[in-house]
Amino acid sequence: DVKVTQSSRYLVKRTGEKVFLECVQDMDHENMFWYRQDPGLGLRLIYFSYDVKMKEKGDIPEGYSVSREKKERFSLILESASTNQTSMYLCASISYSGRGVNEKLFFGSGTQLSVL
Amino acid sequence: GQNIDQPTEMTATEGAIVQINCTYQTSGFNGLFWYQQHAGEAPTFLSYNVLDGLEEKGRFSSFLSRSKGYSYLLLKELQMKDSASYLCAVGTGGFKTIFGAGTRLFVKA
Repeated sequence: DVKVTQSSRYLVKRTGEKVFLECVQDMDHENMFWYRQDPGLGLRLIYFSYDVKMKEKGDIPEGYSVSREKKERFSLILESASTNQTSMYLCASISYSGRGVNEKLFFGSGTQLSVL
Repeated sequence: GQNIDQPTEMTATEGAIVQINCTYQTSGFNGLFWYQQHAGEAPTFLSYNVLDGLEEKGRFSSFLSRSKGYSYLLLKELQMKDSASYLCAVGTGGFKTIFGAGTRLFVKA
């Protein structure tokens, strides 16, 4: 079974702090994603990476950055946390089939971040 | 713009059948996904449709009409453990997937 592991289940930080959310997958997937999930809004894509050191902005990248130094690890960075970044953060990975169709996402268990 | 609509909440009775509808308008289409998410847990894949028609997998079936921008998830013989959120999502190409806000299903005894 594919395993996507997020380092923290719950995190509480203060406004202005730099926050690192870590994600590791064990299936050698090329593509990794960070989403945030808010009630009534669904999952929204923050950033994704299709290869080591490669990144693309998603729909809501403002206030976030990412790092992919190794294939299995994708980090989300909140440069200066703000209260509106309180949310559930979900990491996901996907393999590339080469068939030109979207593949299903494998999700981590999520990190509930509270910024006070 | 890109939009995926699904009902916010539904309630059904154990043993019954429930249909969760999803309509979408997206700039690209590489398939429609349904995910199940129990409270406090990660979403897990349920089904995938890329061609029109019905895909059946045990108690769960998913239907797609690309011309209408419409899909539904059908859950039969409902069980209490089916109480969860059901997320409709569209693959828009380039590895991107757009999600609806999810439908919270409550199964009552």
